[in-house]
Amino acid sequence: DAGITQSPRHKVTETGTPVTLRCHQTENHRYMYWYRQDPGHGLRLIHYSYGVKDTDKGEVSDGYSVSRSKTEDFLLTLESATSSQTSVYFCAIMARGGGSSSTDTQYFGPGTRLTVL
Amino acid sequence: RKEVEQDPGPFNVPEGATVAFNCTYSNSASQSFFWYRQDCRKEPKLLMSVYSSGNEDGRFTAQLNRASQYISLLIRDSKLSDSATYLCVVISNTGNQFYFGTGTSLTVIP
Repeated sequence: DAGITQSPRHKVTETGTPVTLRCHQTENHRYMYWYRQDPGHGLRLIHYSYGVKDTDKGEVSDGYSVSRSKTEDFLLTLESATSSQTSVYFCAIMARGGGSSSTDTQYFGPGTRLTVL
Repeated sequence: RKEVEQDPGPFNVPEGATVAFNCTYSNSASQSFFWYRQDCRKEPKLLMSVYSSGNEDGRFTAQLNRASQYISLLIRDSKLSDSATYLCVVISNTGNQFYFGTGTSLTVIP
């Protein structure tokens, strides 16, 4: 258990509304990630963060923004939700190994199921 | 071209069978490789890392073939509890992005 929680766990919203998902970690990891998972596509990176206020785009960042004002919290915002953003969203942290990237591993939160009607 | 490609399956095997999954990756500079397991409606969980020399953890064996750019997972003596989706994962050569395959579905049948 890497101490990662996500909230809400389930959400139904309407097209055009803003939505914010929260990821919280308790172990002071520097790297945090947001993914979406859809059938046939697997996990796709939306945005990631490598420190407080330091973020970068992933493969599918359009329509999403992120913020990280504290080490423990990484927020994902859908600025104006669309039906194509219906998905399962996973947050992850990267636990760094002892000086070698071959021991870095990712641990995931329990996910948020978002439905946009 | 996708960074990581997997056969989605599904693989349906009887209890006790041996089953193998392969995964190919496109970036020859990739340095780190993993297998994750994902149960239905749950988050992915690390199953094992894949080392250049190959590694074993109980009934599970992972191997890396750098020349052909593929990794494999072998499960021996399959159990009902092995039923899940298995994800192949590659870390980028920059070290801070993980690329996931779409997963291979395994069902072990009594």
